[in-house]
Order: sequence, then structure tokens, then C-alpha cells
Amino acid sequence: AQTVTQSQPEMSVQEAETVTLSCTYDTSESDYYLFWYKQPPSRQMILVIRQEAYKQQNATENRFSVNFQKAAKSFSLKISDSQLGDAAMYFCAYRSATGGSEKLVFGKGTKLTVNP
Amino acid sequence: DAGVIQSPRHEVTEMGQEVTLRCKPISGHDYLFWYRQTMMRGLELLIYFNNNVPIDDSGMPEDRFSAKMPNASFSTLKIQPSEPRDSAVYFCASSLILGYSEQYFGPGTRLTVT
Repeated sequence: AQTVTQSQPEMSVQEAETVTLSCTYDTSESDYYLFWYKQPPSRQMILVIRQEAYKQQNATENRFSVNFQKAAKSFSLKISDSQLGDAAMYFCAYRSATGGSEKLVFGKGTKLTVNP
Repeated sequence: DAGVIQSPRHEVTEMGQEVTLRCKPISGHDYLFWYRQTMMRGLELLIYFNNNVPIDDSGMPEDRFSAKMPNASFSTLKIQPSEPRDSAVYFCASSLILGYSEQYFGPGTRLTVT
């Protein structure tokens, strides 16, 4: 079974600075999808960014970008120019693209604090 | 669209009582998911439906839990009888197609069983 590990339970960053959240995963599959979700105090889960494993180019969404290292099974999230509104729990998630399973497997999350 | 709608937002009940959580997915979405979030176990998929048919219920913890989707616009998750260890936030999510597509989450129901 696939597993997702987020080794940083908590991280903090100064406003306007850059922070990187780590995520590693374990899978024997070659085709899959990776996601980062944000959960602010309101509890609403919001998709931040996603990556298809067959694409070598790292995904970017405005201030958010990923560093996808397929061989290392690593999928880190970089937040540039951090804003107070970025404070939230961040979850890394994996979904298989084969075998018909549509299950999203989540990591335990990283709590990000943004200091003014 | 109003997004995924869940009710109630908060539920407090006593051990042994039946609890029913409700979800209205985004119109036109073919897939519906129920998740449970706890501090200890994180986010876990309980069950998901495709076109109202349960596809994978391997995450349902035990027979006390049941889920139904009688039509494309409504699903329920029922716990009977409830126990204190069922206390968690329960999320419903829906998506149009799978694979790369985004799952849209509802605001969750915080369940407390005393």
C-alpha cells in the first residue's frame, strides 16, 4: 500500500520569506498523481497544487511551486513571499493512476505558522 | 455553484445514539467521498461512490458505520450506535472525473460523542 510521509509536524516562516514543506511517498507504481492541499483554521480543504508523475516539469501556481523528484519519491512544496493568509495545515496526497483505485492517500500534515 | 454542502456543521451526541451526517455534492460530479479526520490517524478515506454506487468501502471502520447515496445529489453517513472514539471531523468531497482532477471538499461535520 502507498504511504505518504510529512516529516515536519510544524514549520514557521517570516512574512515575505520563502518556506519549503517536505513530503516523501512510497509506491511501486510508475504512474500516479501528487497533490498539496491546504486546510486553514476554517477547516475547508483547498487544493494548492498538483503534479502528474509522468511530467518532469515541476508544477507552479503563482507563489506556490513544487520540487518533484521521482527517483527519490519526493514532492516538496515551496511557498514564496509568504503571506499571513498562508498560515494553515498543509497536506501532501497521493493518488494512483493505475489499478482503478481512486483513493487519495494523505500525509499527516504540516502546520505552517507565518510570523508578521 | 455552492460547493459541497454538509450538514450539520457540528453534532454532539451521547454514546449509543444514532448519528446521521449528510452531504450534497457539487452538481454534475460523478464521484463522492467520505473522509474522517482525527489527530491520531489524520485524514482517512472511509468510502467512495461512483454514479451513486459504492466502489471502495475498505476504510469503513466497522459495521456500526454505513453510507448510502440514494441519488446523485445526496449521500448519508450513519453511525449506529455511536461511541466516543467516533469523535472526529467528517468530510465529504466530490469530483467530476478522477485521476488528475481536484476533489472539492465540504466544510466538514465536527462530531463529538460523549
